[in-house]
Formats: sequence, C-alpha cells, structure tokens
Amino acid sequence: EVQLVQSGAEMKEPGESLTISCQNTAYSFMKFWIGWVRQMPGKGLEWVGIIFPDDSDTRYSPSFQGRVTISADRSTTTAYLQWRSLRASDTAIYYCARFIASNVYYFDNWGQGTLVTVSS
Amino acid sequence: SSELTQDPAVSVALGQTVTITCQGDSLRDYSAAWYQQKPEQAPLLVIYGKNNRPSGIPDRFSATTSGNTASLTITGAQAEDEADYYCNSRDSSGNHVIFGGGTTLTVL
Repeated sequence: EVQLVQSGAEMKEPGESLTISCQNTAYSFMKFWIGWVRQMPGKGLEWVGIIFPDDSDTRYSPSFQGRVTISADRSTTTAYLQWRSLRASDTAIYYCARFIASNVYYFDNWGQGTLVTVSS
Repeated sequence: SSELTQDPAVSVALGQTVTITCQGDSLRDYSAAWYQQKPEQAPLLVIYGKNNRPSGIPDRFSATTSGNTASLTITGAQAEDEADYYCNSRDSSGNHVIFGGGTTLTVL
C-alpha cells in the first residue's frame, strides 16, 4: 500500500520562509511523479505542481510558477514544497499525492495534508 | 479552455441514483478522474480514465464521458457517499492538471 506521510501543521508570519515535506514509505519513490495540491479554507482543489524524483523533472501550474519550489531527496524518499516569502493568501491545506501520468492524469494516493497558516 | 465546471451542489434520496457532471473543452481529448472528499479528510480517488475503479471502491460508482462532459454516477446512493466530489483532467494544452470546482453531494 502506498503511504505518503506529510509534515505537521505550520504557523508562520508573512514574509517568512517555509518548507513542508512528504515522505514516501511504501513504493518505488523514484519511478512515480509526486504532486502537490492546495486547498484554501472552504474551497476546492488546485494543482500546484509535480516532480519526478528520478531526474527531478518539475512542472508547475502557471498559477504557482515562481511562488513555490518543489524538490525531492532521493536518499530520504521525500518530496518538498518550499516558499521563500509567505503571504496570508498562502494559508491552506497542502496535500501531496502520487501522480499518474498516463493517458489520464490523476492522483491515486494522497498524504494526510499539511495545514499552513500565515498570519501576523 | 483550461476550466472544468461542476454544479456546486446536488442531492439524492437514499438508495436512489445520482449523476454528477463535469464540463470542459479538454474533456473532448482527455479522460477525467473523480475524487471523493469527506470533511477533514484527504481526497480519495474513486474513478480514473474511462471507468476504472481503484481497489476498494464500491461498484456503485461508475463514470462515462460524452463530448465535453464527464459524468460520475452513484447507483443506489448510501449515507456514507455524502461528500464533496471533484473531477480532474488535463488542460487543453495537455501539459497541466486542472480540477473542477467541486460538487457537494447531500444524501437525503
């Protein structure tokens, strides 16, 4: 069974930096894309971006390009989502999920989510 | 187009059949996937592609696509099916992931 375990909730102030993590504990980390999805309070799902850990090929949603950085550490089978300067509008739950890019694009296994709260 | 449109809310009587739709131009070229999200939980994949169910998803969930519309049907809705449902697919360029705005299903 695929298991993605995310880091805990974070509370930050505007302008601060943050990195949240997503550790794969069960499948071949290198051979599947990992994606990040945002869910703002009371709102729907938004695609942030994806990474292929084997070669670090990374794709971003145009809405998030330049605002976040996605990376992966092969040695710890962990993916990361990073902000250099947080805004209040970054407050949301961020999910990581295994991403399948076949003729259908979909996320088949999800982490439990990381709540990020940005407030002064 | 880079949008998928869903009705905000749908209701169904217990045991009856309900269809949730997802409209978008990219669906003419690319298949959709469907997710169920219950309060305070992560989304759960229920259908992907033409009509594929992951292991553990009841067979009362099924999907079809016609033209620019993908549909998720629950045949014999149960109380535990009450949740938000999201569709996703590729955008028209084929390079990006897009989600529908979600449909809240109420089982009466």
